[in-house]
Amino acid sequence: QLQLQESGPGLVKPSETLSLTCSVSGGSISSRSYYWGWIRQPPGKGLEWIGTIYYSGSTYHNPSLRSRLTISVDTANNQFSLRLTSVTAADTAVYYCARVGGNWGYWYFDLWGRGALVTVSS
Amino acid sequence: QSVLTQPPSVSGAPGQRVTISCTGNNSNIGAGYDVHWYQQVPGTAPKLLIYANNNRPSGVPDRFSGSRSGTSASLAITGLRSEDEADYCCQSYDSDLSAAIFGGGTKLTVL
Repeated sequence: QLQLQESGPGLVKPSETLSLTCSVSGGSISSRSYYWGWIRQPPGKGLEWIGTIYYSGSTYHNPSLRSRLTISVDTANNQFSLRLTSVTAADTAVYYCARVGGNWGYWYFDLWGRGALVTVSS
Repeated sequence: QSVLTQPPSVSGAPGQRVTISCTGNNSNIGAGYDVHWYQQVPGTAPKLLIYANNNRPSGVPDRFSGSRSGTSASLAITGLRSEDEADYCCQSYDSDLSAAIFGGGTKLTVL
């Protein structure tokens, strides 16, 4: 069955760039039936949608993060990535990647990775 | 705070029925956007419980059901079990924010 796995540094310094990759196994990221997304959860707080990407490269960003955010897809390696620049302590969170079902505006996250804790600290 | 409002906590005894509300406005639930529900056991990733208001993914027991009306939605759990103790979160889309949005989450305690 399809699985997602986040990878990347667990510690990032303030003002630097947070980079994470989500590797997809057991299925193709080029499926026309799904999008792929990133969601984060600060410690003890609720979930926040970061952004969503289609295998073609079309992206949808949370406007609150858009100026700092890049989401990209690598179909050859069946993975997609997140880059968040100029991070602060407020970006400390567990970052999840997920498969996204439904159409634009009606998305739901039907399969999730285990999550990766990223701490922003000097 | 979250655009979608949920009660911080609910509780019930084994075998009972509980409901969790999710209140939005006319730019999200009231605009007709679907509501989805997730279950999250602390320390683990969320799991999709209900999608598109009242649909259960394969493997989710029919003790879980969802509904939507006006600017609100509800998750109902019948025949409460100890393993249902978790956090539950609703999700929709907001046209004013142009973003997928989540509720703040509700902690369910099985007494």
